[in-house]
Amino acid sequence: ELKVEQNPLFLSMQEGKNYTIYCNYSTTSDRLYWYRQDPGKSLESLFVLLSNGAVKQEGRLMASLDTKARLSTLHITAAVHDLSATYFCAVVSTGNQFYFGTGTSLTVIP
Amino acid sequence: EAGVVQSPRYKIIEKKQPVAFWCNPISGHNTLYWYLQNLGQGPELLIRYENEEAVDDSQLPKDRFSAERLKGVDSTLKIQPAELGDSAVYLCASSPGSLDTQYFGPGTRLTVL
Repeated sequence: ELKVEQNPLFLSMQEGKNYTIYCNYSTTSDRLYWYRQDPGKSLESLFVLLSNGAVKQEGRLMASLDTKARLSTLHITAAVHDLSATYFCAVVSTGNQFYFGTGTSLTVIP
Repeated sequence: EAGVVQSPRYKIIEKKQPVAFWCNPISGHNTLYWYLQNLGQGPELLIRYENEEAVDDSQLPKDRFSAERLKGVDSTLKIQPAELGDSAVYLCASSPGSLDTQYFGPGTRLTVL
């Protein structure tokens, strides 16, 4: 079974600061997704990364994928309160099975 | 465009009772997923449909869980009988194809007493 680990699990950061969330996975995959979940709400798609070296950016969030290292990063630039949420990465294994990470709960404080 | 619709949003039942959840995916989406999400954890796949065919149900506890997707559109997930450990949020998602971005519904929060 494919394992997907995120760190940190909990992150409290001040507004205006930068930080990176890491997503490691255990077997070969060249497709990775990032989702956001607000408390009590469902998951919302942020990015799809389809190949090694892929980089996607939307606003203050930037995601990248290194398939050789089996690592994806979600970088937050100049955090604002609206970014407070739980962020999940998800990896597709052979057989098109989706595995979600443990999630990173982000709190941005003034 | 309407999103993924799920009902009910909340359900409270006593253990050993049956329960059913309904999902209407985004129009035109061939792939439908049911996930279970426990508090503080990521979604865990229960079953994936390609049109009306269940192509991955390896994580579905078949002794008590069943699902169907008639005509390749709406889907129903059933638990019978429910156990205390089944308390969780049940999420439905759909996508145009099996590797495309998934769109999630609001979920059904199940509490088993």
